[in-house]
Amino acid sequence: GQNIDQPTEMTATEGAIVQINCTYQTSGFNGLFWYQQHAGEAPTFLSYNVLDGLEEKGRFSSFLSRSKGYSYLLLKELQMKDSASYLCAVRDNYGQNFVFGPGTRLSVLP
Amino acid sequence: GAVVSQHPSRVICKSGTSVKIECRSLDFQATTMFWYRQFPKQSLMLMATSNEGSKATYEQGVEKDKFLINHASLTLSTLTVTSAHPEDSSFYICSAKAGRSYEQYFGPGTRLTVT
Repeated sequence: GQNIDQPTEMTATEGAIVQINCTYQTSGFNGLFWYQQHAGEAPTFLSYNVLDGLEEKGRFSSFLSRSKGYSYLLLKELQMKDSASYLCAVRDNYGQNFVFGPGTRLSVLP
Repeated sequence: GAVVSQHPSRVICKSGTSVKIECRSLDFQATTMFWYRQFPKQSLMLMATSNEGSKATYEQGVEKDKFLINHASLTLSTLTVTSAHPEDSSFYICSAKAGRSYEQYFGPGTRLTVT
């Protein structure tokens, strides 16, 4: 079966650093994605990991450990506009289907 | 970057009627398009995957006779919700990807309200 877990909600302070974890158990693996979604809008792509390690992109970094079925998204220098839901998604072996996690609602407080 | 549009952005219809939602890739050829449904405060649930020129593959629990998907060209896929009921009210999002590209590009979504 397919199972992806993320914390439901997180709260952090403006300027701080926050780490959003994602664990997955899927029948196949061909990449892990992180998306940001503001309320009422479509998701926007943040990062993609297919090999173990850390991918850094500005204030956002994403880490993957395939052996542990684990990823995290790290957000630095938090801004109020970072308040959104963050979705972890895994692509299966055939590269066609994406399975989305439940999403983590992040609230950034002043 | 790649752009995907959806039309309409919002639609209100009466129970029992049918609604068609269009998804277009504006600047690339989408060999595969995905249709998702998202209920409030929940994540995206994949409804079906469609490849241009072939029948859509529906996820378990999604009625193919109720949610008709047509992917007639490399830039257009349509989702028709037939005989809509209030429980079909949701946010419907399409995404598209080209060839062997790993990335899928999301449309802006369509909010359907069935009264």
